[in-house]
Amino acid sequence: SQTIHQWPATLVQPVGSPLSLECTVEGTSNPNLYWYRQAAGRGLQLLFYSVGIGQISSEVPQNLSASRPQDRQFILSSKKLLLSDSGFYLCAWSARLGNTEAFFGQGTRLTVV
Amino acid sequence: DAKTTQPNSMESNEEEPVHLPCNHSTISGTDYIHWYRQLPSQGPEYVIHGLTSNVNNRMASLAIAEDRKSSTLILHRATLRDAAVYYCILRDGGTSYGKLTFGQGTILTVHP
Repeated sequence: SQTIHQWPATLVQPVGSPLSLECTVEGTSNPNLYWYRQAAGRGLQLLFYSVGIGQISSEVPQNLSASRPQDRQFILSSKKLLLSDSGFYLCAWSARLGNTEAFFGQGTRLTVV
Repeated sequence: DAKTTQPNSMESNEEEPVHLPCNHSTISGTDYIHWYRQLPSQGPEYVIHGLTSNVNNRMASLAIAEDRKSSTLILHRATLRDAAVYYCILRDGGTSYGKLTFGQGTILTVHP
């Protein structure tokens, strides 16, 4: 069966520090991969999605970047965190076509102080 | 991306049916209607999806209007564990991108 791993579960980082969140998927090949952010009390904002290795689409220009070095690995990064980067970050995967469901990781709660 | 409109919040009593509406008047022919729910401090969980016909699974039923411009998620007997934010999403089934773009969703409160 397929599983998605996302870590760490919580993270407290000072302003100006770098960030690296990792997400890996098991049990499937060629997945679509997604990074979302959810600010407190708000909906989910799609940040990046990827349909293949090295193929990244950015939905919202911001202080973050994403990379997909391997088929089932998706990394969210920042060189210098801002206070506004605080939030709940979620990784998700789905099969290629839109008639299939998506599966979400448990999320990383990031607090920038 | 085609947009969906949902009520901000709804309330229900335990063991009663719940009908969660969603409007999607700009839906295209290849858009699938997906429903997810999110419990506090967790990632969203898939509930159900459909294209034209009504769908049933162990969690819920999805009723799709004949013109596909609206749909309703039906929880047949609400439990306290069903209290969550419910998202109605359109997802293009005709491309390999299949982006999943979330709106604000409906906060469902279930009273004992």
